[in-house]
Amino acid sequence: TQLLEQSPQFLSIQEGENLTVYCNSSSVFSSLQWYRQEPGEGPVLLVTVVTGGEVKKLKRLTFQFGDARKDSSLHITAAQPGDTGLYLCAGAGGSARQLTFGSGTQLTVLP
Amino acid sequence: DARVTQTPRHKVTEMGQEVTMRCQPILGHNTVFWYRQTMMQGLELLAYFRNRAPLDDSGMPKDRFSAEMPDATLATLKIQPSEPRDSAVYFCASGLVHSEGAGTEAFFGQGTRLTVV
Repeated sequence: TQLLEQSPQFLSIQEGENLTVYCNSSSVFSSLQWYRQEPGEGPVLLVTVVTGGEVKKLKRLTFQFGDARKDSSLHITAAQPGDTGLYLCAGAGGSARQLTFGSGTQLTVLP
Repeated sequence: DARVTQTPRHKVTEMGQEVTMRCQPILGHNTVFWYRQTMMQGLELLAYFRNRAPLDDSGMPKDRFSAEMPDATLATLKIQPSEPRDSAVYFCASGLVHSEGAGTEAFFGQGTRLTVV
């Protein structure tokens, strides 16, 4: 079983601040995905990164895949209350037969 | 707007009763996942299917849980008999894999919140 660790587990910041969430593993993944989940809903896919060293930007969100494809980070610039939610990373294994989720980072952005 | 549909949204049942959760994947998707989410364990993969065939159910307690796909439009997860420790939110997700080695992007339903008393 591939283990994905996310940090921090909880993060509470003021509107306008920047933040970074980390997703680390000792295993290599063929791709890594980031999801956001709001209360009472299922996770919603934000982005997929495939190539080691890849950087993708989605408005104020920047996603990076580590060179060795074992880790990833999510950086949010000028956070807004609407960014509040549970952020989950998920790795697809070498055989792409499973999608394994990290433990999640609960982000709260205070107005 | 294509989406994964899960029923029921909420289920309260007594210990020992059978529970069946249903999922309609997005039309055209060839992969279906069942996950369980709790505060303590997060999202745990229970089972997944590719082209309706079960590929991995190693995360599922075999003595009481079963997952099937009777056809391409329906996936079911059954617990018999249910126990209080089964209380959790159960998510179904579907995705499309074009080739082996390609990761699956999962589209989740809204989940079934199960409470076993």
